[in-house]
Amino acid sequence: EAQVTQNPRYLITVTGKKLTVTCSQNMNHEYMSWYRQDPGLGLRQIYYSMNVEVTDKGDVPEGYKVSRKEKRNFPLILESPSPNQTSLYFCASSFISSGITGELFFGEGSRLTVL
Amino acid sequence: AQTVTQSQPEMSVQEAETVTLSCTYDTSESDYYLFWYKQPPSRQMILVIRQEAYKQQNATENRFSVNFQKAAKSFSLKISDSQLGDAAMYFCAYTDSWGKLQFGAGTQVVVTP
Repeated sequence: EAQVTQNPRYLITVTGKKLTVTCSQNMNHEYMSWYRQDPGLGLRQIYYSMNVEVTDKGDVPEGYKVSRKEKRNFPLILESPSPNQTSLYFCASSFISSGITGELFFGEGSRLTVL
Repeated sequence: AQTVTQSQPEMSVQEAETVTLSCTYDTSESDYYLFWYKQPPSRQMILVIRQEAYKQQNATENRFSVNFQKAAKSFSLKISDSQLGDAAMYFCAYTDSWGKLQFGAGTQVVVTP
C-alpha cells in the first residue's frame, strides 16, 4: 500500500529535550516536505527536499533541522524544543515532473506538545 | 513572497445545496499550480482538485469544480449537491516550480441536514 508514515503520532515532551519525528514513504517520490498546522494559520512549510542530499527552507524553518540521506526518509529534528513548537506536524511527498505537479501524499500527522 | 488568502473562516450549507469557497493568491510567477485539500476530523489531508496555471480550462472532479481567474489571481472551489461527508476544513494551496508550497488559513465547511 502506498503511504507516508510518520512516527510518533503523539508526543508530549519537555523544553530542551531533543526529539526526532520520522517520515518514510514507499512510493519512490523525489519530493518530501514538512509542515506544521496551527489554528487560524493553516499549514506552513518548514523544510522541503527535492531529492537526496537536497534540502531547502520553507517559511518557518527556525528551530528545526532536516536531513535527506535516503530517498525514502526525511526526518524532522527539534534540537531544543520550545513550547511555541507545540503543533500538529505533517510530512508529505510527491513525484516531481517539471515542478510539483503530482498529487501530494500526506502522512497522518504527528501531534507534538512541548511543556 | 507568495501568499494565499482564504477570507471565509466558516461556511454553512444544506445537504444537496451548493457552496462556494473563495481563495486568492499573490504571485509574480507565470508557471504555478493551485490545489484544494480537504481535511476531515480524522486530520488526514486529501487532495480534492488541482489546477495548472497554464491551463485555461477550469478543473472538475465529480461534484467539485473550480473557477480559476488567473488575471484576478482567484481560485474558488464549488461543491455541488453537498453531502454530509463533505463537512471538513478546506485548504487552498499554491506552489511554484521550486517546491515551496503555501496554504491558506482554511475554511470550515459545515453541512446541515
